[in-house]
Amino acid sequence: EAQVTQNPRYLITVTGKKLTVTCSQNMNHEYMSWYRQDPGLGLRQIYYSMNVEVTDKGDVPEGYKVSRKEKRNFPLILESPSPNQTSLYFCASRGTSGSALRPGELFFGEGSRLTVL
Amino acid sequence: GQQVMQIPQYQHVQEGEDFTTYCNSSTTLSNIQWYKQRPGGHPVFLIQLVKSGEVKKQKRLTFQFGEAKKNSSLHITATQTTDVGTYFCAGRGGSARQLTFGSGTQLTVLP
Repeated sequence: EAQVTQNPRYLITVTGKKLTVTCSQNMNHEYMSWYRQDPGLGLRQIYYSMNVEVTDKGDVPEGYKVSRKEKRNFPLILESPSPNQTSLYFCASRGTSGSALRPGELFFGEGSRLTVL
Repeated sequence: GQQVMQIPQYQHVQEGEDFTTYCNSSTTLSNIQWYKQRPGGHPVFLIQLVKSGEVKKQKRLTFQFGEAKKNSSLHITATQTTDVGTYFCAGRGGSARQLTFGSGTQLTVLP
């Protein structure tokens, strides 16, 4: 089954304790991206990756890091989490060629709800 | 930077009534996508529009892309309880290489 898998799904942590949210896709997609979702703000892009070893900042990259060492994985790293990073995080992927039926479709993971105390 | 505004933020309708959400961009878009997010779920792709003035239908859902490619709408005819969720538009345009999401419209359907 084609899917994007995120872990953990829920996490409560404390300020300053480094954490990593993993994201893995099994669709051989070149493009992967991280978003955060906050009430009234929609989905804001944190970082994205066009392919292995190619990453770039989105609209709200401060306080986050990413890496893309393998095509299937795109972890999101919070080196020193702060309460303003409490949010719902989504990883998404897309093939560059796309589907003729559903061109440009972004496939989202189930989401990771992070609380930083 | 590119901004995509979406209204209304919330909409409550009686089952069977129609519903429309609107999306407006500060810049001309090359394409626009629509997603649906059920409560507690993740966004799921509905459609992509590319051409000026394009209209596409999926059963009771009608999607439009404006002639100037700066606005779009999603209209649901005769809503059902299964339509409950938040609808997002997402546009790509100008110098932006990435999709910019609207803030979403949260639809509640009262039985």
